[in-house]
Amino acid sequence: GQQLNQSPQSMFIQEGEDVSMNCTSSSIFNTWLWYKQDPGEGPVLLIALYKAGELTSNGRLTAQFGITRKDSFLNISASIPSDVGIYFCAGQLRGPGAGSYQLTFGKGTKLSVIP
Amino acid sequence: DAGVIQSPRHEVTEMGQEVTLRCKPISGHDYLFWYRQTMMRGLELLIYFNNNVPIDDSGMPEDRFSAKMPNASFSTLKIQPSEPRDSAVYFCASSLQGAYTQYFGPGTRLTVL
Repeated sequence: GQQLNQSPQSMFIQEGEDVSMNCTSSSIFNTWLWYKQDPGEGPVLLIALYKAGELTSNGRLTAQFGITRKDSFLNISASIPSDVGIYFCAGQLRGPGAGSYQLTFGKGTKLSVIP
Repeated sequence: DAGVIQSPRHEVTEMGQEVTLRCKPISGHDYLFWYRQTMMRGLELLIYFNNNVPIDDSGMPEDRFSAKMPNASFSTLKIQPSEPRDSAVYFCASSLQGAYTQYFGPGTRLTVL
């Protein structure tokens, strides 16, 4: 089945620094999603990307859907302490017939922000 | 609007016992997903439903696991008998037909002793 390689696995950054993480796949995806998970909570959707080459921002977050449709990146600018958490990429490959809405998740990037 | 609701939030049980996890999807959503999250394997899709019908259960680990969705506002994931390796956080998520985004509940942390 599809696998997503997410990197880095973890990062420690200083408050105010910019952050970049990415996801690559051996399969082509039709949709890329980025989620954030806080401790003890479920993943929360940050950004959804639907077209190859699409660049989308949500506040200090910017994500891009790679041209090859096999990768995506997420940038966080001017990090703050509340950015701490685990960030997951997820790819979706719609199947035939009625459609398949299954998501394949990366293993996550654990972000720590040093005040 | 209320998000996805899961209960219980925490469950501690002994090996061999039956465990039932519950989920109420967002009203109007017609897709419901059950995931399991562990440190080793990350987030794994177990099963998903469309309009209360199971579509793909290929992620269910074995026959000890079963899931039902008797109506549009309720689903259960049952483990019988439970084993220590079933310890994980179980998430329920829902989405709307034609929308690729899934909304997750807060999860149930299951510990099997």
